[in-house]
Amino acid sequence: NAGVTQTPKFQVLKTGQSMTLQCAQDMNHEYMSWYRQDPGMGLRLIHYSVGAGITDQGEVPNGYNVSRSTTEDFPLRLLSAAPSQTSVYFCASSYGQGASYTFGSGTRLTVV
Amino acid sequence: GQQLNQSPQSMFIQEGEDVSMNCTSSSIFNTWLWYKQEPGEGPVLLIALYKAGELTSNGRLTAQFGITRKDSFLNISASIPSDVGIYFCAGQRYMNYGGSQGNLIFGKGTKLSVKP
Repeated sequence: NAGVTQTPKFQVLKTGQSMTLQCAQDMNHEYMSWYRQDPGMGLRLIHYSVGAGITDQGEVPNGYNVSRSTTEDFPLRLLSAAPSQTSVYFCASSYGQGASYTFGSGTRLTVV
Repeated sequence: GQQLNQSPQSMFIQEGEDVSMNCTSSSIFNTWLWYKQEPGEGPVLLIALYKAGELTSNGRLTAQFGITRKDSFLNISASIPSDVGIYFCAGQRYMNYGGSQGNLIFGKGTKLSVKP
């Protein structure tokens, strides 16, 4: 049982480049979400999805896009990377919006 | 936006000591969760609390859902070196809301260091 799988684990981008962070879960969870973690800031919600075809913005959505075409996958797209997006990104899933979340192991992104 | 105040921000303790941390809010919550994050990993659920006054243990860890529903506490007894990490509280205000207020809200974490 893999749980929540995030790829890649590490990535370095140049300013202005675009990329997609992948997140997949095999627990048939309806709810999925993306967080970024910065020192002293805790976990801040970027986007979330309560089911396939449904997405919504979280606390810090600017510069990021998401889509949810299947229950299993919830990719996060950086449209034009900026140094302010240097962070550790976590994907999480749960069977319900307020239920306990299972987190992936994170993607450490550096934008230079 | 809604915030959870988690304290202390960091703790440096000796192995064998007991640890106490808490999370408070000005709003009522329906769910309180406690997570632990080790270096290079994602947070892992330790304890989930769903009722006011609930006291739940997981080994040396004990957490309580405050009676006012505005706070929660996590205690670790007889700390060991592998307790090192960042502990996060999380709360949910509205069950099955479907909108943004149904999401879990996270505290900023308590960083625990244990000296052998």
